[in-house]
Amino acid sequence: GEDVEQSLFLSVREGDSSVINCTYTDSSSTYLYWYKQEPGAGLQLLTYIFSNMDMKQDQRLTVLLNKKDKHLSLRIADTQTGDSAIYFCADYYTGTASKLTFGTGTRLQVTL
Amino acid sequence: DGGITQSPKYLFRKEGQNVTLSCEQNLNHDAMYWYRQDPGQGLRLIYYSQIVNDFQKGDIAEGYSVSREKKESFPLTVTSAQKNPTAFYLCASSGLINYGYTFGSGTRLTVV
Repeated sequence: GEDVEQSLFLSVREGDSSVINCTYTDSSSTYLYWYKQEPGAGLQLLTYIFSNMDMKQDQRLTVLLNKKDKHLSLRIADTQTGDSAIYFCADYYTGTASKLTFGTGTRLQVTL
Repeated sequence: DGGITQSPKYLFRKEGQNVTLSCEQNLNHDAMYWYRQDPGQGLRLIYYSQIVNDFQKGDIAEGYSVSREKKESFPLTVTSAQKNPTAFYLCASSGLINYGYTFGSGTRLTVV
């Protein structure tokens, strides 16, 4: 089945850029997503990218997609303490009966 | 405003009891999902339903049961057969898949 992998932890200083990486295995993925989870809360959809795009920018967020390497990244510019959370990538491909496959999540710690 | 509501936020269960977690959505979404999240871990799919009166087992369905009698509602029962039920439970729903899932705010279940 599909596998989505992320590194577990990332620490950055306030004001720096954060880059959270994700790899997936199925080349027929059509949509890829980034979610944010704050402590004790549900997941909030941050952004998504269609597989025919290489990049998508939304304010401080930039998503890069490298289909050849099956690699997705989320860049957060000017990282703030409020960005501290767990970030999940997820993908959808037609073989999964409309189910998303989630990565294990990357915990982002923002230090002063 | 449209959304997905989980209740209660906190739930305590005695050994040997069944408990039911509520999930209601007013987004007119066809599909609904239940996930379990353990500390420091990702999401594991328990059950999902793509249409009323139909549901499928996810990766960790043992010890859980669901029903989907109405489009808006997808309650999860944690039975006494679930040996380690203490966890954070997340419900989600989806309409058009390109918009991903919408998550509830979660229910934290603790066995006392």
